Amino acid sequence: EAGVTQSPTHLIKTRGQQATLRCSPISGHTSVYWYQQALGLGLQFLLWYDEGEERNRGNFPPRFSGRQFPNYSSELNVNALELEDSALYLCASSASGWDTQYFGPGTRLTVL
Amino acid sequence: QKEVEQNSGPLSVPEGAIASLNCTYSDRGSQSFFWYRQYSGKSPELIMFIYSNGDKEDGRFTAQLNKASQYVSLLIRDSQPSDSATYLCAVMVTGGGNKLTFGTGTQLKVEL
Repeated sequence: EAGVTQSPTHLIKTRGQQATLRCSPISGHTSVYWYQQALGLGLQFLLWYDEGEERNRGNFPPRFSGRQFPNYSSELNVNALELEDSALYLCASSASGWDTQYFGPGTRLTVL
Repeated sequence: QKEVEQNSGPLSVPEGAIASLNCTYSDRGSQSFFWYRQYSGKSPELIMFIYSNGDKEDGRFTAQLNKASQYVSLLIRDSQPSDSATYLCAVMVTGGGNKLTFGTGTQLKVEL
């Protein structure tokens, strides 16, 4: 069974630009979660999508947004990039609620 | 006070010993508790989860909950060098829109 996939693996942007990160969940999973893992700050919950709807979001500004497509894949958009947005962005998926979340390999975003 | 706290370590144990990892949480409404293992440069991998009604044992791993003192622990028996990783504790409060909150992780080193 294929796991959660994310693209791209690495992304380099400059301040003020926009970044788009993509995630494909495990087949059969309808929930997708996005997390930011910045150095020294641990995993911070960003967004939760289920059945195409945003179900919850963490304490991040509105320039962090995303969507979930009918095939349950998801993208995360970060507008007006700031230096502190540099982090590993992890996507996870689950079949039912929060019980079993499986993480993808992550996208390393570097903002210069 | 952070919502989920872990000692950053490193926690060093000899091979074959029992490693004990602890995590404290602040919200008494927490319902589910998760332990993830994260190898350096990799994404988190779910090891175990428990609900507020009991402990769980799975192979060499045991997760225990102390609701009165608001901490959850992970015991690793017969520690192996391959167990060397960062262990992340995560707590979910269902009343808060199923928001999963992670600790910053404890680094475990199993020495030969």
